[in-house]
Amino acid sequence: DSGVTQTPKHLITATGQRVTLRCSPRSGDLSVYWYQQSLDQGLQFLIQYYNGEERAKGNILERFSAQQFPDLHSELNLSSLELGDSALYFCASSVGANRNEQFFGPGTRLTVL
Amino acid sequence: AQTVTQSQPEMSVQEAETVTLSCTYDTSESDYYLFWYKQPPSRQMILVIRQEAYKQQNATENRFSVNFQKAAKSFSLKISDSQLGDAAMYFCAYSGGSNYKLTFGKGTLLTVNP
Repeated sequence: DSGVTQTPKHLITATGQRVTLRCSPRSGDLSVYWYQQSLDQGLQFLIQYYNGEERAKGNILERFSAQQFPDLHSELNLSSLELGDSALYFCASSVGANRNEQFFGPGTRLTVL
Repeated sequence: AQTVTQSQPEMSVQEAETVTLSCTYDTSESDYYLFWYKQPPSRQMILVIRQEAYKQQNATENRFSVNFQKAAKSFSLKISDSQLGDAAMYFCAYSGGSNYKLTFGKGTLLTVNP
C-alpha cells in the first residue's frame, strides 16, 4: 500500500458525460501528479500540482481539468467523454516539487461506452 | 524531448535464475533521475529502484540492481534469484530538466517460470 488513495476504483459512463476522479496523496506529500495509461498511448503524464498550484502540464486535453484543494487532495475532471478516454488514470504523490520518488495510487479504471 | 525505449516487449526467466531488462533513454539534460517501476496484474505501480545521474555507483535494492551507463544512456535492471512474485510489467522511467514529470517506456512483460 503506497498510502495514496484514489476513488472510485471503477467508473463506467457514456459518451458525452462528465466524471470526477479523486486522489488523496500520502500524508506529508505536497505534490500530486496525474497519469493516463491506455493500450495505444502507454503511460502519459497529464498534469502536476504542488501545494495547490499548477506546476506542470503534459498531454492533457482541453476537455480535462484538475485542481488541488487546501487539504491537498486533488480532483481530475473529464468532460465530453469519448470512447478513446477509456483508460486507467493514476494519481501519484511526492514530498516536494522536484524529482523525489513518486508513489502511485491504485488507479481509477474509466470505461466510456 | 526526452524519450525512453524498452526494446524487449517480453522476457521470461526460470525461477531462481537471473534476468536483465534493458532500457535506453535520450536526453540533453545533465541532471536527471531514472526509475524502474513494476506493475503486477493488480495494476498497482510499484517503485522498484531509483538512480540519480550524478551518482556513479549503481543502485541496488535487495535482489534488484541496475547497470547505469551514462555515456551510453543505458539503464538496465537486473533481477537476481527471480521469484514467481516478480512476474509483472516493468517500466523504465525518466525525470529530468525543469519538468518533474515521469516519462515512461512502453514496458517489458516479465514471465517467471516455475
